Amino acid sequence: DAKTTQPNSMESNEEEPVHLPCNHSTISGTDYIHWYRQLPSQGPEYVIHGLTSNVNNRMASLAIAEDRKSSTLILHRATLRDAAVYYCILRSEAPNKLVFGAGTILRVKS
Amino acid sequence: DTAVSQTPKYLVTQMGNDKSIKCEQNLGHDTMYWYKQDSKKFLKIMFSYNNKELIINETVPNRFSPKSPDKAHLNLHINSLELGDSAVYFCASSLRGSSYNEQFFGPGTRLTVL
Repeated sequence: DAKTTQPNSMESNEEEPVHLPCNHSTISGTDYIHWYRQLPSQGPEYVIHGLTSNVNNRMASLAIAEDRKSSTLILHRATLRDAAVYYCILRSEAPNKLVFGAGTILRVKS
Repeated sequence: DTAVSQTPKYLVTQMGNDKSIKCEQNLGHDTMYWYKQDSKKFLKIMFSYNNKELIINETVPNRFSPKSPDKAHLNLHINSLELGDSAVYFCASSLRGSSYNEQFFGPGTRLTVL
């Protein structure tokens, strides 16, 4: 399984943007980059995914480096509700499964 | 409307017992999964079913037996429970098990084996 590397934890102030980095130097050409988050005492929740181009949705933006060896999840205005563990996951066609690492614990201060 | 639901939410039982956890999704998805999150918070896939057919079995002890009566349900039966089975079990589903489809997770079942 292709591996990802994320910081153990990050802290942000409420209402400020947050950039969560992820390194995936062994990514293959067909791997999708997925981000999930897990709020306390809840199941993981899909955030965003991309292949090569930057992606935006209502929750976040995903910036993918040109060589695809790293990516950054951007929360444009962090709220207290965004405090969670954020997982960066490479998803290949086969075997088709999500392989979760340790993730980044995001703390948001009011 | 609950997309992926699991029952029960909490399960406390003695070692050696047999128990089941049920999962249902109303999203019309054809692929379902079971994940285990241990006390260190690591999430690991256990099984994946596509159209009632087992497609991933991650070297889980054969005391764990998933059963998919139809596309909308994937139940997990555990025989002879052990202390190490204590964990939170999450069910998930997706539309086709391809690498670009998101997975939707249930709220989890916290299993405690005494």
